[in-house]
Amino acid sequence: AQKITQTQPGMFVQEKEAVTLDCTYDTSDPSYGLFWYKQPSSGEMIFLIYQGSYDQQNATEGRYSLNFQKARKSANLVISASQLGDSAMYFCAMRVRSTLGRLYFGRGTQLTVWP
Amino acid sequence: DADVTQTPRNRITKTGKRIMLECSQTKGHDRMYWYRQDPGLGLRLIYYSFDVKDINKGEISDGYSVSRQAQAKFSLSLESAIPNQTALYFCATTGRGVTSEAFFGQGTRLTVV
Repeated sequence: AQKITQTQPGMFVQEKEAVTLDCTYDTSDPSYGLFWYKQPSSGEMIFLIYQGSYDQQNATEGRYSLNFQKARKSANLVISASQLGDSAMYFCAMRVRSTLGRLYFGRGTQLTVWP
Repeated sequence: DADVTQTPRNRITKTGKRIMLECSQTKGHDRMYWYRQDPGLGLRLIYYSFDVKDINKGEISDGYSVSRQAQAKFSLSLESAIPNQTALYFCATTGRGVTSEAFFGQGTRLTVV
């Protein structure tokens, strides 16, 4: 069975500080991808970053980086230099080869950035 | 134009009514999905389709049906809406690789009263 766990229902960070959003996953399939999405209050899903299970380097996209620790089955999102516009719900998700492309989502973390 | 377009964006309907949510995509992908989002539960899969002739149930398909009219079109129906189907619904499409990005529609906020 595939599972994504996000244990932080809410996180708070001050503007310009870095924040880490936790994500652990469970799968027995050796081929998988891990994704992070941002959902602002308007509701749309915005793709942020992904990591493949065979990737040797941690993924980075601008202020976003994915701290991939395969042995621990964790894929934490790090946001550097937080901005007020980063306030949103963040979802961790996983795709595995054996289930042909569907995404498994965690329950999300609500991030609030304060001035 | 958006990669994935959902209509309507918002809908209020009465218990027992039939309602259809429509989705079309311009990415040219074969795979399309319908997800439902409830507060605190993340997104859960309702149905998915890998081509026009291939429809599969997800983990919460009861009370829903789908139709894949073309490669680019995938609609979701609630045959007899009930209040606990009040949720945010997303259509998505992806390529085949496990690291292929999923493209989501803007979502449909459905309220059943």
